[in-house]
Amino acid sequence: DAGVIQSPRHEVTEMGQEVTLRCKPISGHDYLFWYRQTMMRGLELLIYFNNNVPIDDSGMPEDRFSAKMPNASFSNLKIQPSEPRDSAVYFCASSYGLEAFFGQGTRLTVV
Amino acid sequence: ELKVEQNPLFLSMQEGKNYTIYCNYSTTSDRLYWYRQDPGKSLESLFVLLSNGAVKQEGRLMASLDTKARLSTLHITAAVHDLSATYFCAPPWGVQKLVFGQGTRLTINP
Repeated sequence: DAGVIQSPRHEVTEMGQEVTLRCKPISGHDYLFWYRQTMMRGLELLIYFNNNVPIDDSGMPEDRFSAKMPNASFSNLKIQPSEPRDSAVYFCASSYGLEAFFGQGTRLTVV
Repeated sequence: ELKVEQNPLFLSMQEGKNYTIYCNYSTTSDRLYWYRQDPGKSLESLFVLLSNGAVKQEGRLMASLDTKARLSTLHITAAVHDLSATYFCAPPWGVQKLVFGQGTRLTINP
């Protein structure tokens, strides 16, 4: 398996634009997580899904953030409108059982 | 809410030396995970500790878990430069929600 695949790897956008981050989990995994990493706040869990159903979105910072998982092979995280403080590395991870495997991350810069 | 504290947050050491990173967490958890992150890279799973008293070793790294003390340690033996990275501990909160510590940035100097 190719592991967790995220796209794009880098995204630079202007404030106010919509941003969509994409994730393909490892086949057969039933949990999917979206994390955000910044120097100030470290690694924060934004939302996670089990069998495509959102279980806990308490980490989503504002209504500007939304995430969906329409099927077992795909999830996206949208920010609309984006703001400079959303600049961070966004990681997607998936797991089956105990261990979570992380994608390479999307580095988002909002200018 | 589960809180996780690692110390030290920054560690600079010489090759060949031994050191320990500590991970304290605030609520009961029967499992704990250690991850490694190289600069600009993703997180790589190092150890999964599944029970009280669990000890796992991989090369120069050894991790242990004391669930009663809510403490995990990551011990580095005879450090080498390749081990320079940031190390995170993460106990789960609930079923699968990993809560990460702040990370320990380890620099090993020749």
